[in-house]
Amino acid sequence: GAVVSQHPSWVICKSGTSVKIECRSLDFQATTMFWYRQFPKQSLMLMATSNEGSKATYEQGVEKDKFLINHASLTLSTLTVTSAHPEDSSFYICSANSGPNQPQHFGDGTRLSIL
Amino acid sequence: DAKTTQPPSMDCAEGRAANLPCNHSTISGNEYVYWYRQIHSQGPQYIIHGLKNNETNEMASLIITEDRKSSTLILPHATLRDTAVYYCIVRAWGSNYQLIWGAGTKLIIKP
Repeated sequence: GAVVSQHPSWVICKSGTSVKIECRSLDFQATTMFWYRQFPKQSLMLMATSNEGSKATYEQGVEKDKFLINHASLTLSTLTVTSAHPEDSSFYICSANSGPNQPQHFGDGTRLSIL
Repeated sequence: DAKTTQPPSMDCAEGRAANLPCNHSTISGNEYVYWYRQIHSQGPQYIIHGLKNNETNEMASLIITEDRKSSTLILPHATLRDTAVYYCIVRAWGSNYQLIWGAGTKLIIKP
């Protein structure tokens, strides 16, 4: 149980385009999901906390107009990287709590490469 | 959330027990110790968590000292597939608080 699915796993696109990443909790409902970014050989850095039915809470330094988060249902959160540039190339990972007293479970990540 | 300190890297022979230490000397009474691991190019995988008692599941054992200032994750029979970065994190229970990720320990299992 407690499976989080992330799609796509790998995307390559041209500079200036927008990219949407989906994060789904397959066998549980998640009122809160988290979006992380990880650069090579570095640890995970939290970008934002996504709450179902309300606005996401962004960490300091993360542009909310560039990284659009939508959490329209209890099983789906999306991260859209708008007008992506090469510096946005990174490994993006989502996670979700499977219950009020359960650990976070993670998707397998999306490797984004902007040319 | 309390900070944790882990060695940057460790080696272990395949088939032997891998013991990964973690210091969390500023842990609060309501904070649990969580362990995750991240295999290269994958999302983190939850391993185990505990408050003050030792815990065991199908993946590992967690030994927490009586003063709760440190803990050890034990992989009883390490395999090559256990090569990963292991993260020790402390966090209050029953919350949606973020996990604070340190640098972790790069565990390399050698044949």
